[in-house]
Amino acid sequence: DQQVKQNSPSLSVQEGRISILNCDYTNSMFDYFLWYKKYPAEGPTFLISISSIKDKNEDGRFTVFLNKSAKHLSLHIVPSQPGDSAVYFCAASVDNAGNMLTFGGGTRLMVKP
Amino acid sequence: KAGVTQTPRYLIKTRGQQVTLSCSPISGHRSVSWYQQTPGQGLQFLFEYFSETQRNKGNFPGRFSGRQFSNSRSEMNVSTLELGDSALYLCASSLQGIPDTQYFGPGTRLTVL
Repeated sequence: DQQVKQNSPSLSVQEGRISILNCDYTNSMFDYFLWYKKYPAEGPTFLISISSIKDKNEDGRFTVFLNKSAKHLSLHIVPSQPGDSAVYFCAASVDNAGNMLTFGGGTRLMVKP
Repeated sequence: KAGVTQTPRYLIKTRGQQVTLSCSPISGHRSVSWYQQTPGQGLQFLFEYFSETQRNKGNFPGRFSGRQFSNSRSEMNVSTLELGDSALYLCASSLQGIPDTQYFGPGTRLTVL
């Protein structure tokens, strides 16, 4: 039973346009959400996070939106750059659960020049 | 500040053997988590150690075990290897736990023949 799902395995976007990556979750106990980026042969790199008490968090070109009622979050990258091409994972955690993260299956983003 | 290091980077074993993987966290980080990444199952949480104690455990058989030393370095052991254990094993460290950011190492690629 996948508690965190990324339904789009891949996404292709033109350089300069917006990339929107989506993530859905089923466990209502999740209250902290993160996005990681992963290049081949490297470990995931933390991008941005959001607590369930917020519905938006912005960091430079990256913005994460959280819709708790829909159990949905999304990552917006504006403007997209070729260097953003990577696999993006969303992850979720329960408060006071140490460092146990539940990951989605990932979305491969390709930004075309 | 040095990042998370994992050794070895690549490993080939045969069925029935056992293997030990090592992870050195970022200096000052007390939490070390282990994840298994496979094409079919994505990133799955194995366990987390904090101050030498296992704090969280995922849904993996008892063949998977770990420990953490007083300097926060961690080892993961897999006994009686099976073909399905072939995966990228990732280690992540953080100061204490969520919401502290987890920093991932490059992983150990284990191939079981």
